[in-house]
Amino acid sequence: GNSVTQMEGPVTLSEEAFLTINCTYTATGYPSLFWYVQYPGEGLQLLLKATKADDKGSNKGFEATYRKETTSFHLEKGSVQVSDSAVYFCALKIVNTGFQKLVFGTGTRLLVSP
Amino acid sequence: KAGVTQTPRYLIKTRGQQVTLSCSPISGHRSVSWYQQTPGQGLQFLFEYFSETQRNKGNFPGRFSGRQFSNSRSEMNVSTLELGDSALYLCASSADFRASGNTIYFGEGSWLTVV
Repeated sequence: GNSVTQMEGPVTLSEEAFLTINCTYTATGYPSLFWYVQYPGEGLQLLLKATKADDKGSNKGFEATYRKETTSFHLEKGSVQVSDSAVYFCALKIVNTGFQKLVFGTGTRLLVSP
Repeated sequence: KAGVTQTPRYLIKTRGQQVTLSCSPISGHRSVSWYQQTPGQGLQFLFEYFSETQRNKGNFPGRFSGRQFSNSRSEMNVSTLELGDSALYLCASSADFRASGNTIYFGEGSWLTVV
């Protein structure tokens, strides 16, 4: 089946530290991969995406590379800020002939302290 | 360009009642989908609509239903509410479900509390 596995949180970092949030997936076919971020009390915001193997998605200093050989899409940021504190969701998109849907990981909470 | 708009943002209902949530997609988007978010189950797919037709439905009981109008706006309904239906209900829209690189955008969600 299709599934996404994320590292357990919370991830606690000091400001300016390096961030990695691991994400691996199982999928039939070749899904598109996404990272969404959710701030407290809000909906999901698209952070970045990659649609094929070796694609690198990037936005606001965050990056993730679609690795088909390791079925991974790890999120990284070189220097986190307090404002990055949020829950991060890795997701794959299934596209069938008749529909599309996202399959999400469980989310990883990031806490950044000054 | 306005994003995905959901109403109401917050609501409290009593067990046994029904609720209707509304979603206006991004202008030009014809695919609308709904997701339920709970602490225990995470984010789960409810259903997807495209051109007023339900294309796919997740593993939810028949109490959960939805529809899409000709202007792509969508509503979802939950009848005979149970305590376990308390959740954040997220609506999402995209331009065309058939494009693999197509991005799905989410609204702010409707927070439903069942008491």
